[in-house]
Amino acid sequence: NAGVTQTPKFQVLKTGQSMTLQCAQDMNHEYMSWYRQDPGMGLRLIHYSVGAGITDQGEVPNGYNVSRSTTEDFPLRLLSAAPSQTSVYFCASSDRQETQYFGPGTRLLVL
Amino acid sequence: AQSVTQLDSQVPVFEEAPVELRCNYSSSVSVYLFWYVQYPNQGLQLLLKYLSGSTLVKGINGFEAEFNKSQTSFHLRKPSVHISDTAEYFCAVWGSGGSNYKLTFGKGTLLTVNP
Repeated sequence: NAGVTQTPKFQVLKTGQSMTLQCAQDMNHEYMSWYRQDPGMGLRLIHYSVGAGITDQGEVPNGYNVSRSTTEDFPLRLLSAAPSQTSVYFCASSDRQETQYFGPGTRLLVL
Repeated sequence: AQSVTQLDSQVPVFEEAPVELRCNYSSSVSVYLFWYVQYPNQGLQLLLKYLSGSTLVKGINGFEAEFNKSQTSFHLRKPSVHISDTAEYFCAVWGSGGSNYKLTFGKGTLLTVNP
């Protein structure tokens, strides 16, 4: 049981580039979400999904896209990277609505 | 809408001293409450949670928290800390019921345990 996995661990982008952060879970959880963590800000919800084919916006969705074609995968797409998107990104999953299990994170630097 | 306030951004303590990390929340619905811990350069790990029942909740590594509905608080305590407890601690609230699927985090408290 790998739990929640995220790739890549580190990424450097130039302003305007696009990329996809990968997230996968092998626990058959229905609920998955993406957060960003910035110093002094805690974790803020970007997007979430309550099942395959269903996604919704969180607190800070601008500049990000998500899709959920399978239960296992929940990729986060940056459409046109900006320096303000420099952050640590965490994916989480849950079999119930409330107890979430977090991946190890992706550190993103946008120059 | 719901929100979480962690009253201290940093808490320095000496090893073997007791510690309390304070958390207050606001919500218009019943809530589930959580404490997560993040060690340096790692993801978040669930420390403990309150869903219902006894208001005193025990978690991993000797931590406990008490849910106080009248004061809308969920403070985290440990009677004797170790160097290894140095980490950032996050309080979080989940509004139960309805279509509220959002876990809202506080801004975190950095606990530093000194020898």
